[in-house]
Amino acid sequence: GENVEQHPSTLSVQEGDSAVIKCTYSDSASNYFPWYKQELGKRPQLIIDIRSNVGEKKDQRIAVTLNKTAKHFSLHITETQPEDSAVYFCAAQRSTNAGKSTFGDGTTLTVKP
Amino acid sequence: DAGVTQSPTHLIKTRGQQVTLRCSPKSGHDTVSWYQQALGQGPQFIFQYYEEEERQRGNFPDRFSGHQFPNYSSELNVNALLLGDSALYLCASSRPPSNGYTFGSGTRLTVV
Repeated sequence: GENVEQHPSTLSVQEGDSAVIKCTYSDSASNYFPWYKQELGKRPQLIIDIRSNVGEKKDQRIAVTLNKTAKHFSLHITETQPEDSAVYFCAAQRSTNAGKSTFGDGTTLTVKP
Repeated sequence: DAGVTQSPTHLIKTRGQQVTLRCSPKSGHDTVSWYQQALGQGPQFIFQYYEEEERQRGNFPDRFSGHQFPNYSSELNVNALLLGDSALYLCASSRPPSNGYTFGSGTRLTVV
């Protein structure tokens, strides 16, 4: 089955710096890659996603890149703010009727003011 | 617009007991997925329901079962509870062709 590895497990940056989280996946049939943000004690929330027919997608300070050949994708957060502090999860999924998503183990991002 | 609602929020059970968790999907969503999230780990897929049938299943034993009702709400049942079943159980709803999930806040299950 699908295996998703996520790095780093913890990341600490100064406010205003950029943060990058990387994930690799094993199933070449995966073609949908969402990212979720989970604040302490709260539900995971979808923040951005990318499909395999696109190499990059951007939404304000957040961007995701995908390299299908290498089977890895990354989340980029620019101009980080303290409210960006949370656990971020990547996931990979075969895009068949909103099927099973396989999640990475998460990255705890801390943005220091 | 109500999101995904789960009940109860917290639950303490004894080993060997049975538990039922409940989920109401976001309005307009017809697909419900259940995930188990252990402390410090990513969510693990248990199963997914669509049109009242289990459509996909993860690597969980038969002690984990579920149901979806005509109004799209869903239940997760766990029999013969083990200490290792202690976790946050997340319900996520979606509506194809959209793939992204809307998660509920989860049920924190503690088995003692």
